[in-house]
Order: sequence, then structure tokens, then C-alpha cells
Amino acid sequence: GAGVSQSPSNKVTEKGKDVELRCDPISGHTALYWYRQSLGQGLEFLIYFQGNSAPDKSGLPSDRFSAERTGGSVSTLTIQRTQQEDSAVYLCASSTPGPGAEQYFGPGTRLTVT
Amino acid sequence: GENVEQHPSTLSVQEGDSAVIKCTYSDSASNYFPWYKQELGKGPQLIIDIRSNVGEKKDQRIAVTLNKTAKHFSLHITETQPEDSAVYFCAAKTPREGGKLIFGQGTELSVKP
Repeated sequence: GAGVSQSPSNKVTEKGKDVELRCDPISGHTALYWYRQSLGQGLEFLIYFQGNSAPDKSGLPSDRFSAERTGGSVSTLTIQRTQQEDSAVYLCASSTPGPGAEQYFGPGTRLTVT
Repeated sequence: GENVEQHPSTLSVQEGDSAVIKCTYSDSASNYFPWYKQELGKGPQLIIDIRSNVGEKKDQRIAVTLNKTAKHFSLHITETQPEDSAVYFCAAKTPREGGKLIFGQGTELSVKP
């Protein structure tokens, strides 16, 4: 079956512009995660959605970052007034519920802020 | 919160040799420890995981060991092949922090033919 998909695969934007990154999780996966991977670095947690519960936003680096998940499926990560330090690969993952459930990652969106 | 340290950052081995990557974690409540392999331009892919009630798990050429007392876990790859070349990440999950994974900084493994 289809895995996690993300779009766009690459995004180049000018400093100060807003961007939206999209994630389509695996069908039936109620948990969805966003991570950020800066060049040569590990993955940094951003936000976590689980079913209808309030999202865990503890990893969002500033109020310029927000995310929503509509209908329990597709999620959009929005970065307002982008800065050069926002340049990174943004990865989305989804999983079934449960403490040891495998997180399946999408290919990521590479964001470059010029 | 949880913190995961991973080393080495780079590792170069000859084909056929073994490779070992080590991680330590800070939160003794962490109970799930996956390892991911990331190839260039792709998202991370789970290769093996271990839960805190198990000390060792093996899957063909890959094994993971967990020492809860010392709060460290290791990935062992035997009989390495060039296609094992990639970046490997360890991670930990703590129940009180929900489903999020805390990742190590990654190890770039290069297997030379």
C-alpha cells in the first residue's frame, strides 16, 4: 500500500514569506508527527497529533510555526515569515496508536529560505 | 526531558567487518528504542527496535542490545555490505512524553568494498 507522502519535495522561498508543507499519512494511522532535520543533524520533534486529542506542540520552535490536521488525516505545517534558520528537511511520520508502534516516515520536504 | 547521545558520528569499515553504534539516554522511564536507517534523499526507515523488557534482539545481520542500568543501547551490524552505507539514528520514547521520539545525532556509516 501507499506510504507516507509529502509535498512539495523541494521548496525554495524568500525570507519573510509564508510556506505550507503537506503530509498525507498512511490510511488508518491515527498518530501523525512532524520532525525537522537540519543539515547533518538528527531529527528534532516539532508536533504530534493523536486522534482527536489536543496536539502536543511542545517542539514548535516559535509562534511562527503552526500545524493542523484536518479530518484526522492530512496535515499541514505552516511557517510564517520564514527565516534563513528555518532551512531544513521537514519530515512527517505516521503510526497506529500504541507505545511501541512503528513510525513510518515520508521522504520529507527540503525547505530552503534565501 | 529525554536526551539521547549517539556516537560515533562517522564510522568507516571494510566490507565483511562488523560495525557498532552506541547511544545513551537520560530518562530512566524510556521504554522503547528504535533504530532507523536513512539513505540519501529519503526518509528514515525502521530497521530494528527493542523494548525495555528485553535485553537483546536480533534480526539476521542486525542486533540491538539494551542495558537499562547504564541507560545505553547499541546497534551491531555483522558482515557489513556496501549497501549498509547510510546514516543510522537511534531514538528513545518516554511514556510521559507521549508518542514522540527523541533522536540521537546520527552516525554516517561507510562500508568500503
